[in-house]
Amino acid sequence: AQKITQTQPGMFVQEKEAVTLDCTYDTSDQSYGLFWYKQPSSGEMIFLIYQGSYDEQNATEGRYSLNFQKARKSANLVISASQLGDSAMYFCAMRPYGNNRLAFGKGNQVVVIP
Amino acid sequence: DTAVSQTPKYLVTQMGNDKSIKCEQNLGHDTMYWYKQDSKKFLKIMFSYNNKELIINETVPNRFSPKSPDKAHLNLHINSLELGDSAVYFCASSPRQGDTGELFFGEGSRLTVL
Repeated sequence: AQKITQTQPGMFVQEKEAVTLDCTYDTSDQSYGLFWYKQPSSGEMIFLIYQGSYDEQNATEGRYSLNFQKARKSANLVISASQLGDSAMYFCAMRPYGNNRLAFGKGNQVVVIP
Repeated sequence: DTAVSQTPKYLVTQMGNDKSIKCEQNLGHDTMYWYKQDSKKFLKIMFSYNNKELIINETVPNRFSPKSPDKAHLNLHINSLELGDSAVYFCASSPRQGDTGELFFGEGSRLTVL
């Protein structure tokens, strides 16, 4: 079974600064997808970014980028130019190809301060 | 139009009661899921259905019974509610079983058992 680890305590970030959220994972699968979701205080789960294990380039989506280091089994999320609306819980998740089980880490709380 | 919709959004009930949460997706997806988010925000898969067929049953008590009348609907019925069932329940969908893309989540249903 896959295990996803997010160990950072709650983070305070200055508006317009960049923030990196750490995620490491443990799996015996060779092919898998990595995901980041955002959960604001309103509660919905918002998909942010996806990285396939065979993708050679790091994924980027607007202000979100994923620092994927396959050998280290890490998939850190970088949010550039933080905005107040980025205040939320951020979840790292992983799913092996061909498997319906999307497993989540415990989340990182981010608070952006003006 | 909401892609994945759940009803009700809030549910407060007494221990021992039976309740249902309904989920519908209008994305044409084949695969649907129920996830439970506990008080510590940890998200755990409960069930997955593919085209009305149960694919994943993740050691959930028998009091929880999912039902998928068609591939666009996945309902969750809970018998004999216990205090520990208090959580946010998320419905989600994805295009196909075992595909590599993200899950699309509903807004969640907050269940409080008194």
